[in-house]
Amino acid sequence: QVQLQESGPGLVKPSETLSLTCTVSGGFVSAYYWSWLRQAPGREPEWIAYIYHSRYTSYNPSLKSRATISDDTSKSQFSLKLTSVTAADTAVYYCARDKSLGMPNFFDSWGQGILVTVSS
Amino acid sequence: SSELTQDPTVSVALGQTVRITCQGDSLRDNHANWYRQKPGQAPVLVIFDRTNRPSGIPDRFSGSTSEDTASLTITGAQAEDEADYYCNSRDNSGNHPYIFAAGTKVTVL
Repeated sequence: QVQLQESGPGLVKPSETLSLTCTVSGGFVSAYYWSWLRQAPGREPEWIAYIYHSRYTSYNPSLKSRATISDDTSKSQFSLKLTSVTAADTAVYYCARDKSLGMPNFFDSWGQGILVTVSS
Repeated sequence: SSELTQDPTVSVALGQTVRITCQGDSLRDNHANWYRQKPGQAPVLVIFDRTNRPSGIPDRFSGSTSEDTASLTITGAQAEDEADYYCNSRDNSGNHPYIFAAGTKVTVL
């Protein structure tokens, strides 16, 4: 059974870059869709980006090119960088897998989440 | 992008049946999926592709869709079913592979 674990700093200063890594065990990062999502307090999850077969990426237009997703298949990891953060980026960040064979559709496995606070 | 709408709260007596609905134009062309989220935990998929249950999800959870409205039904609600429930689907605009509704808080009385 696949397991996902987020890691990274829990506190980031405004205007700096948020960097998170998701380590995958029991699955291949080179297959399926791997995503980052976030959830602000009291809100629904918000999809940020996915990487697919280590080559194709897609991003939420609302983030206006601040996000970059990448992977390192040798380490079974994929990562997120979010630049120029503000307090509005404070949220629990999740990594998740979508094993849809066609178009992306749903998330069958999630990490436990990591709270990232943007504050000086 | 498209929007999905859920009622914010619903309550159900222990052992009774509750239906949670999710409405949006994207559901006419895309499958609805449902997640349960308990406080402090990650979401858990309970229904995918409108009607399918992942392994390990009790059969008291069922899903259906009619036109632009998807439903999640819990038949014989248990205390552990008290949680937030979110639906998601693809977005018809093509810009958003995943959109989520704001969620429904289910209270088991």
